[in-house]
Amino acid sequence: NAGVTQTPKFQVLKTGQSMTLQCAQDMNHEYMSWYRQDPGMGLRLIHYSVGAGITDQGEVPNGYNVSRSTTEDFPLRLLSAAPSQTSVYFCASSYGWTGLTDTQYFGPGTRLTVL
Amino acid sequence: AQTVTQSQPEMSVQEAETVTLSCTYDTSESDYYLFWYKQPPSRQMILVIRQEAYKQQNATENRFSVNFQKAAKSFSLKISDSQLGDAAMYFCAYRSAYGNKLVFGAGTILRVKS
Repeated sequence: NAGVTQTPKFQVLKTGQSMTLQCAQDMNHEYMSWYRQDPGMGLRLIHYSVGAGITDQGEVPNGYNVSRSTTEDFPLRLLSAAPSQTSVYFCASSYGWTGLTDTQYFGPGTRLTVL
Repeated sequence: AQTVTQSQPEMSVQEAETVTLSCTYDTSESDYYLFWYKQPPSRQMILVIRQEAYKQQNATENRFSVNFQKAAKSFSLKISDSQLGDAAMYFCAYRSAYGNKLVFGAGTILRVKS
């Protein structure tokens, strides 16, 4: 199993550009989520999904869109990048969200810089 | 809303010594889960240990153990026999038993001196 994969690992954008961060998992996990990590703030939840076709907002959803057309993939879209979106982005997945099924597996992260 | 506080931005420990990282949280719920994650320089997030709030017994995982004080809303991580490979950022996290969102603290950088 490859686990949770993210592409790209690094990206530089100009203000106003759009892009999609890719996330895929091969563990047949129902729950997937996106976090951003900023210095002094830990990880904050952007969006999450409890299954194909179902998404919901997390703590900091503004400026980001998600969709979940398959169980495996959960892309994160930046519609019009802003310098405030400079961060490290993590995708995570878990089999479920109760009991021992809630152990989240994280991808390697994407470092995004918006100039 | 639940919050998680890690009051120590940085900690240092001598190799082979013991160190304790602090974490407090705020919640009105009685059923929840607590986690410690390790993030080495590779950036990969690694689950270190997990505690269910309904269990009185403190979780242990080899050299890692927790001191869970439910009434005080405290969840500290003790690392025994520290090794150079323990150097990393450590995050404390909370999840309600009735939800599916992880709430993270700001993290503590642990430096291990040889």
